[in-house]
Amino acid sequence: SYVLTQPPSVSVAPGETARIPCGGNHIGSKSVHWYQQKPGQAPVLVISNDSDRSSGIPERFSGSNSGNTATLTISRVEAGDEADFYCQVWDTSSDPPHVFGSGTKVTVL
Amino acid sequence: EVQLVESGGHLVQPGGSLRLSCAASGFSLSKFWMHWVRQPPGKGLVWVSRINSDGSDTTYADSVKGRFTISRDNAKNTLYLQMNSLRVEDTAVYYCARRLDPIDSWGQGTQVTVSS
Repeated sequence: SYVLTQPPSVSVAPGETARIPCGGNHIGSKSVHWYQQKPGQAPVLVISNDSDRSSGIPERFSGSNSGNTATLTISRVEAGDEADFYCQVWDTSSDPPHVFGSGTKVTVL
Repeated sequence: EVQLVESGGHLVQPGGSLRLSCAASGFSLSKFWMHWVRQPPGKGLVWVSRINSDGSDTTYADSVKGRFTISRDNAKNTLYLQMNSLRVEDTAVYYCARRLDPIDSWGQGTQVTVSS
């Protein structure tokens, strides 16, 4: 099965930039999606297909994907950005075909 | 407005069965692939199963294969997950989710607890 690796946590001061990596074998050849999940809430799609922002998501959220790492970047971090973030890919040759990373807790200091 | 509302989660003993439902509104269920994704307590998201738009194609994670069955009734705009031979490790919040890839909408989830 395809494995996506994320750090358990990232801490960032308000106004600074948070970068959340998602590692996978040749992940640059796949489409990566990112979901934000706040405590007690359902996940929300924030970035699709590596870098497409969902409707209503601030421009401060951006994504990139190359080589063996995809990255979600949150610029000018705000207290309200504190959440768990999950990367996800659909790998038609993998079992299971839909894979989530283990998640990264973003803490705003 | 797209809405997905799960129901049917309960406390059940190991070996028991449950059927989860997901009522869709604000869109036509018949046009979309649908998924079930679960989240064990304090842990991350885990994909469970998917079904194509007319119900003819289903796929399962190895951990539930042979025990869970995904189905849909497009006339009722409802997705189902029949869960048999439940295990303690099936304890989780179960989400229904829309669209093959990426998932663009999620329900609020229903809690399934398997315990004696």
